[in-house]
Amino acid sequence: DAGVTQSPTHLIKTRGQQVTLRCSPKSGHDTVSWYQQALGQGPQFIFQYYEEEERQRGNFPDRFSGHQFPNYSSELNVNALLLGDSALYLCASSLGLNTEAFFGQGTRLTVV
Amino acid sequence: GEDVEQSLFLSVREGDSSVINCTYTDSSSTYLYWYKQEPGAGLQLLTYIFSNMDMKQDQRLTVLLNKKDKHLSLRIADTQTGDSAIYFCAEANAGNMLTFGGGTRLMVKP
Repeated sequence: DAGVTQSPTHLIKTRGQQVTLRCSPKSGHDTVSWYQQALGQGPQFIFQYYEEEERQRGNFPDRFSGHQFPNYSSELNVNALLLGDSALYLCASSLGLNTEAFFGQGTRLTVV
Repeated sequence: GEDVEQSLFLSVREGDSSVINCTYTDSSSTYLYWYKQEPGAGLQLLTYIFSNMDMKQDQRLTVLLNKKDKHLSLRIADTQTGDSAIYFCAEANAGNMLTFGGGTRLMVKP
């Protein structure tokens, strides 16, 4: 069982650019959630995808968007990058909307 | 709104028990989780407890939940140096959106 896998592991982008992060859920899971973890803080919920639809959204601007594919994998897109978007982006998967959530190792995004 | 609070730091000696505390505010939480994060890594699910339970034990880990006081604790028995990490508690709403505390850094001294 591969667990939750995320790519890439590290990424450096310039202000104003766009970035796409990818997540494959744990085998058998169909729900994917994305979190942003700034340095020294706890993760903050961005949004959740289930049945290819965004089901819940946290307090993040529209520059943050996502997608879920028929194989349950997901992408997080961030447009018009700001320095403050530098963080560890974590993906979590679960089976349905009410079971334990498992996290991937994250993608470390640095915006310069 | 929802807010989860944890103390910032805990230091214990190897072999002692560690107790990490957490308070939360959402009485409708379905699950309460404990995650471990080592430097540069993602979150490792340690254990979780359903909101209708008072206690859960899993090997060296014991979780206590006091719903009246909205207080959650994680006890690690026989703490080892490999337990040094940041520990996060999190509450889940009905749709499994997690709200995390700021994390407690556990330092285990040999």
